[in-house]
Amino acid sequence: GQNIDQPTEMTATEGAIVQINCTYQTSGFNGLFWYQQHAGEAPTFLSYNVLDGLEEKGRFSSFLSRSKGYSYLLLKELQMKDSASYLCAVKAAAGNKLTFGGGTRVLVKP
Amino acid sequence: DSGVTQTPKHLITATGQRVTLRCSPRSGDLSVYWYQQSLDQGLQFLIQYYNGEERAKGNILERFSAQQFPDLHSELNLSSLELGDSALYFCASSTGTVHQPQHFGDGTRLSIL
Repeated sequence: GQNIDQPTEMTATEGAIVQINCTYQTSGFNGLFWYQQHAGEAPTFLSYNVLDGLEEKGRFSSFLSRSKGYSYLLLKELQMKDSASYLCAVKAAAGNKLTFGGGTRVLVKP
Repeated sequence: DSGVTQTPKHLITATGQRVTLRCSPRSGDLSVYWYQQSLDQGLQFLIQYYNGEERAKGNILERFSAQQFPDLHSELNLSSLELGDSALYFCASSTGTVHQPQHFGDGTRLSIL
């Protein structure tokens, strides 16, 4: 089976940096995805990691350590529109099925 | 716009009824995935199809079924509906290759009265 843990909620100030951690235990591993989801809307793809290290995409970066079963999403220069849930999802070795964590709700305050 | 189209956007029906949700994948995508998201719940994987064939099954109830047609659109059928089936149902599509992300449609909000 697969188990994915991420904090339920985080609060940060506009302009600051927030780091959302995700730990996972899976039977096989074929990559980890981060999605952003505003309330009542579709999840949108943010980043993908399959090898250890940091992937940077503008204000968003994602890090992976496969040996530790750990990833984080770093959001820099926070803006009010970044208030959303951030979903960590792991792809198992077999097939393309994604297992999602419960999501981390980030609230950005002025 | 993800390119994945889901209809209808909203559906209101009563317990015991049957509904069909429709999904058209992005152009070129062969894989379709269905997810259920209840209030304050995470995304629960239901089922995956690839080029017309079932590929993976998640926590899908026996009252639910799905299929993917030759034109690659997919339908999710929900029958004998219960109050607890009220949720957002998302469809996602991908090329089907391992490293490609899934792209989600806007979802169908199902309300059971």
